[in-house]
Amino acid sequence: EDKVVQSPLSLVVHEGDTVTLNCSYEVTNFRSLLWYKQEKKAPTFLFMLTSSGIEKKSGRLSSILDKKELFSILNITATQTGDSAVYLCAVVWGNEKLTFGTGTRLTIIP
Amino acid sequence: NAGVTQTPKFRVLKTGQSMTLLCAQDMNHEYMYWYRQDPGMGLRLIHYSVGEGTTAKGEVPDGYNVSRLKKQNFLLGLESAAPSQTSVYFCASIPGRRTPGQGPYEQYFGPGTRLTVT
Repeated sequence: EDKVVQSPLSLVVHEGDTVTLNCSYEVTNFRSLLWYKQEKKAPTFLFMLTSSGIEKKSGRLSSILDKKELFSILNITATQTGDSAVYLCAVVWGNEKLTFGTGTRLTIIP
Repeated sequence: NAGVTQTPKFRVLKTGQSMTLLCAQDMNHEYMYWYRQDPGMGLRLIHYSVGEGTTAKGEVPDGYNVSRLKKQNFLLGLESAAPSQTSVYFCASIPGRRTPGQGPYEQYFGPGTRLTVT
């Protein structure tokens, strides 16, 4: 069965800490992996990864994909209270089908 | 551009009632998706469409029907609502089939519809 698993389910850290969020997947005909940030409303796009080993960066956020081991990580350095959100991983497979993980709820304590 | 819009934003139904959720996008996107989001379950794909006149089942299609008669609209129907269908429903769209190296795959989400079935 196709699945996307994220860990941890929730994480509480202090402002300034660095966090690593994990996403592993088992799908057929993998095409790409996406990370989203969801606050109170709809998810907003962060990264798309299609190739192994190429790190994507955007400010304090970075992500990398390992297609051999079937996982991705999302790193956030020097966390801020505005980083508090649910982070969703999703995998594009088959004919543009998109399957989401359950998400990691990140809480940053001031 | 309004992007992706959903109507209604909120709805309360009684068990057995029917309703239709409307998703509209003005970006000429080919692919459209309906998801439901429940606590601890993430976003689960209900149905999706890769073009006008086509639909396909996602992970949790039972109890729902969809139609894509016009490219810009994707309708989600509940024929006989059940309490298990209480959820937040999100619609999303993307331009079309991506080829390697073809820019970011940004899926545009609507604001969501909160549905409660009593």
